[in-house]
Amino acid sequence: KNQVEQSPQSLIILEGKNCTLQCNYTVSPFSNLRWYKQDTGRGPVSLTIMTFSENTKSNGRYTATLDADTKQSSLHITASQLSDSASYICVPFSGGYQKVTFGTGTKLQVIP
Amino acid sequence: GAGVSQSPRYKVAKRGQDVALRCDPISGHVSLFWYQQALGQGPEFLTYFQNEAQLDKSGLPSDRFFAERPEGSVSTLKIQRTQQEDSAVYLCASSLNDRGDGYTFGSGTRLTVV
Repeated sequence: KNQVEQSPQSLIILEGKNCTLQCNYTVSPFSNLRWYKQDTGRGPVSLTIMTFSENTKSNGRYTATLDADTKQSSLHITASQLSDSASYICVPFSGGYQKVTFGTGTKLQVIP
Repeated sequence: GAGVSQSPRYKVAKRGQDVALRCDPISGHVSLFWYQQALGQGPEFLTYFQNEAQLDKSGLPSDRFFAERPEGSVSTLKIQRTQQEDSAVYLCASSLNDRGDGYTFGSGTRLTVV
């Protein structure tokens, strides 16, 4: 059964600090892994997409890493801002039709 | 359109009432998905369309839930005789193809059953 585990479940950090969110997944076959940011009351928005051959990908202050062998990924947020407060969801995609499995996400709160 | 559009944004229904939620995908996107997201949880798959064909409806929680996409573009998720446990955010996503290229979510419809 495809599963996704994210940690921590929730996190509070001070504005300007860095943080790292973790994702472990069991999905087969594996095509690519995406990190989404979901603001309260909004749909998820894609931050990064990585295929199995990519180890790291950046999008501004967001840097994702992927180890396809150990099925682990992380999302590092640098110099956090209040607007980073959201849920971050890790989503591994299989090949073929994309019936994806979502984790419950990490709820990040950035405080002044 | 530029993004996936869902309407209404909010819906309050009395228990037992029927509701219809609309999803307008990105123009040209073949695949369309419906998800149910309970508070504090990740989205849970409901159903998948490729053009007008509903290829997977394994996630629909009961026969009160029905989805259609008759012309391969706009989709409607209908919930009959709503129950309180149906209260959730219903997300629609579309992608260019079945490989997930351009996979984009709408902002969702928050359904509250009272």
